[in-house]
Amino acid sequence: AQSVTQPDIHITVSEGASLELRCNYSYGATPYLFWYVQSPGQGLQLLLKYFSGDTLVQGIKGFEAEFKRSQSSFNLRKPSVHWSDAAEYFCAVADSGAGSYQLTFGKGTKLSVIP
Amino acid sequence: DSGVTQTPKHLITATGQRVTLRCSPRSGDLSVYWYQQSLDQGLQFLIQYYNGEERAKGNILERFSAQQFPDLHSELNLSSLELGDSALYFCASSVAGGGSDTQYFGPGTRLTVL
Repeated sequence: AQSVTQPDIHITVSEGASLELRCNYSYGATPYLFWYVQSPGQGLQLLLKYFSGDTLVQGIKGFEAEFKRSQSSFNLRKPSVHWSDAAEYFCAVADSGAGSYQLTFGKGTKLSVIP
Repeated sequence: DSGVTQTPKHLITATGQRVTLRCSPRSGDLSVYWYQQSLDQGLQFLIQYYNGEERAKGNILERFSAQQFPDLHSELNLSSLELGDSALYFCASSVAGGGSDTQYFGPGTRLTVL
């Protein structure tokens, strides 16, 4: 069965510092990969997605992610973090089992930003 | 604003009761997904409907059921509620349910079972 691992439960960075959130997936075929962000009391907003082509994908709010098949990873990066980026980030893979593409999510990484 | 609406925003009820959560997908989206978010289980897929028909089931309890109506809105019915059913329930929609389709999430319904 497919799975997604986000090794870091909580990360704290200073405003203006760079950020990398880790995501590893377990999936047999070419995965469809997503990063979502959830602000407190809010729903999930898509940051970016990968399903083919260029392994470096650009998303909204200055985020990017790189797909590395050899490492089964899809890490999220941002060169300079803003205080408004404080939120919880979820990596997900679309599972094509049984003709559906439901998302399997990691446990999430909570990002705190120090002014 | 994702374009997906969910009502109610909050729901407080007692054990043993039954509740109905409602979801309206984005205009033009045929596929609706339900997810449950809890502290211990994280985000889990419950069930998917496509154009009125059930397409896939995930970790959905037998006490839970769902349907999608001809106007494409969906309802998730939770019965014989237990304390452990307290969670945030999300609805998401996508155009057709393909792997590269983006699932747009609603704001969620927070269910508290007392």
